[in-house]
Amino acid sequence: KAGVTQTPRYLIKTRGQQVTLSCSPISGHRSVSWYQQTPGQGLQFLFEYFSETQRNKGNFPGRFSGRQFSNSRSEMNVSTLELGDSALYLCASSGQAGPDEAFFGQGTRLTVV
Amino acid sequence: AQSVTQLDSQVPVFEEAPVELRCNYSSSVSVYLFWYVQYPNQGLQLLLKYLSGSTLVKGINGFEAEFNKSQTSFHLRKPSVHISDTAEYFCAVSRGRGSTLGRLYFGRGTQLTVWP
Repeated sequence: KAGVTQTPRYLIKTRGQQVTLSCSPISGHRSVSWYQQTPGQGLQFLFEYFSETQRNKGNFPGRFSGRQFSNSRSEMNVSTLELGDSALYLCASSGQAGPDEAFFGQGTRLTVV
Repeated sequence: AQSVTQLDSQVPVFEEAPVELRCNYSSSVSVYLFWYVQYPNQGLQLLLKYLSGSTLVKGINGFEAEFNKSQTSFHLRKPSVHISDTAEYFCAVSRGRGSTLGRLYFGRGTQLTVWP
């Protein structure tokens, strides 16, 4: 059974640009959550999608957005990139609408220069 | 909001020695508790979880944790560590499933370094 796939693994962007990250969950999983990991703030919850609907949202500015498609694949978008957006972005998929069976992808390392 | 405190940011230990990584959480309601491990440039791998039932939970790679409701703690232990256990360990809680309950709240992590 394939795991959670995040693409790309590494990304370098310039301040002011926008970026889209992709997450393909485990087959059959309908819940996808996104987390940002930085040395300063640790792991912080961005949002969760379940059956194409955003179920839960963390405390991030509106520049951070996401969506989920009918095949459960999810994308997150960050517009007007700032240096502080440099982070490892992790996606987790779950077979139920909750974290107790969550599996994480390897993450996308975003560097903003 | 939940909060999770990992009391040690770094734990150095010699190979084959026992180790305990400490985790305390704040919550007045029932929670689900988790320990994850992260190797360099990797995602998070679930070590073990407590949902209900026995307070002693056994996980992968010889790790176990004990849920103590009165002390709101969920400390991770291993009786004999290996060099391959060197990694960062995260404690996390959630209030449950679905809706606003399903998000994970993470501690700041504990870097475990095992020396030969």
